[in-house]
Amino acid sequence: KQEVTQIPAALSVPEGENLVLNCSFTDSAIYNLQWFRQDPGKGLTSLLLIQSSQREQTSGRLNASLDKSSGRSTLYIAASQPGDSATYLCAVHGGSSNTGKLIFGQGTTLQVKP
Amino acid sequence: GAVVSQHPSRVICKSGTSVKIECRSLDFQATTMFWYRQFPKQSLMLMATSNEGSKATYEQGVEKDKFLINHASLTLSTLTVTSAHPEDSSFYICSAHYTGTGLEFFGPGTRLTVL
Repeated sequence: KQEVTQIPAALSVPEGENLVLNCSFTDSAIYNLQWFRQDPGKGLTSLLLIQSSQREQTSGRLNASLDKSSGRSTLYIAASQPGDSATYLCAVHGGSSNTGKLIFGQGTTLQVKP
Repeated sequence: GAVVSQHPSRVICKSGTSVKIECRSLDFQATTMFWYRQFPKQSLMLMATSNEGSKATYEQGVEKDKFLINHASLTLSTLTVTSAHPEDSSFYICSAHYTGTGLEFFGPGTRLTVL
């Protein structure tokens, strides 16, 4: 059974710092991995999608890497801003096909202080 | 971009009543939609997969008679929480699978409070 773990559960940093969020998964047979952002009481916004054949994806100040063999992904946020404060969720498509079925980690709640 | 809406955004009901939540894909068709539940400070847990024109597939531990799912069209799935109890209070989020993109687009969620 696929399990997704995110470390740390919470993180507080001063504005401007670069930071790394970690995600690990137990079954390396994934179709793809996504990072999402969730603001309090809101739905999810997709940030980055990494296919199983890819090693990383970049969007603006965000960079996500994937090491499928070791079951790890990281989300790197450069020059953090107070507006980055949110919960970041990592999710994998379980199995080897694009079933659309996502398994989520517990999330990392980030606070960026001005 | 692909947009998914949910209605209502917030509902408060008395114990024993039934509540229907709608999930709509506004600008694309979705043969598959998913329903998740999120308890405070916890992650999303998949409840069921909603398939257009066929029965939903429920995850282990989710009561299909309590959480009725209907996916009557390519743009609408509904989740009905029957005989709701306080322990059903949660944040319910749906997603719609955009075929060909490999992406899930999430609705804004519905906050259910059962008194």
